[in-house]
Amino acid sequence: LAKTTQPISMDSYEGQEVNITCSHNNIATNDYITWYQQFPSQGPRFIIQGYKTKVTNEVASLFIPADRKSSTLSLPRVSLSDTAVYYCLVGDGTGANNLFFGTGTRLTVIP
Amino acid sequence: GAGVSQSPRYKVAKRGQDVALRCDPISGHVSLFWYQQALGQGPEFLTYFQNEAQLDKSGLPSDRFFAERPEGSVSTLKIQRTQQEDSAVYLCASSFQGNHGYTFGSGTRLTVV
Repeated sequence: LAKTTQPISMDSYEGQEVNITCSHNNIATNDYITWYQQFPSQGPRFIIQGYKTKVTNEVASLFIPADRKSSTLSLPRVSLSDTAVYYCLVGDGTGANNLFFGTGTRLTVIP
Repeated sequence: GAGVSQSPRYKVAKRGQDVALRCDPISGHVSLFWYQQALGQGPEFLTYFQNEAQLDKSGLPSDRFFAERPEGSVSTLKIQRTQQEDSAVYLCASSFQGNHGYTFGSGTRLTVV
């Protein structure tokens, strides 16, 4: 089961770009990298998923280097509402291996 | 439904009481997970279903915890003889098979007093 390592916390000012890096040295060939966002009193919410190179959606971008041993979630121009805990997960998505969340990165956006 | 629904939203149980937590996944979703989240921690895996089959229950902390999904849709997590250490948020997530993104419910906050 591939586990991940992320910074425990980060602070950023409103309007800045935030990059959160996750290490996953034991990622398997079939594993995808998925990021979730969690607000207090809510369940985690899917943000973005990728396998290699770069993925972009309306919320974020995900950068994955060629060796796939790390990944970076990029949030453009954060706002106060982006204050949350962000989790990086790796897995093959079949459910055969469970989703390992770790402790996540607590992002605090400062006005 | 539009999302994963969990009930009750909050549950207070006296120590030793049995509780049952319900999860209504998104219609048609094959995979279903249960997670336990302690305050300030990330969710921790409890068990996984594919349709009605419980394929992995390695995360259940003790034999007081039992989960079922008899018809492959609604799932129930039962905790017998609750203890204070069982106090946590219990999250349910579902996914359509082959979809790598999982949809989580808002959870049930269990407080054992």
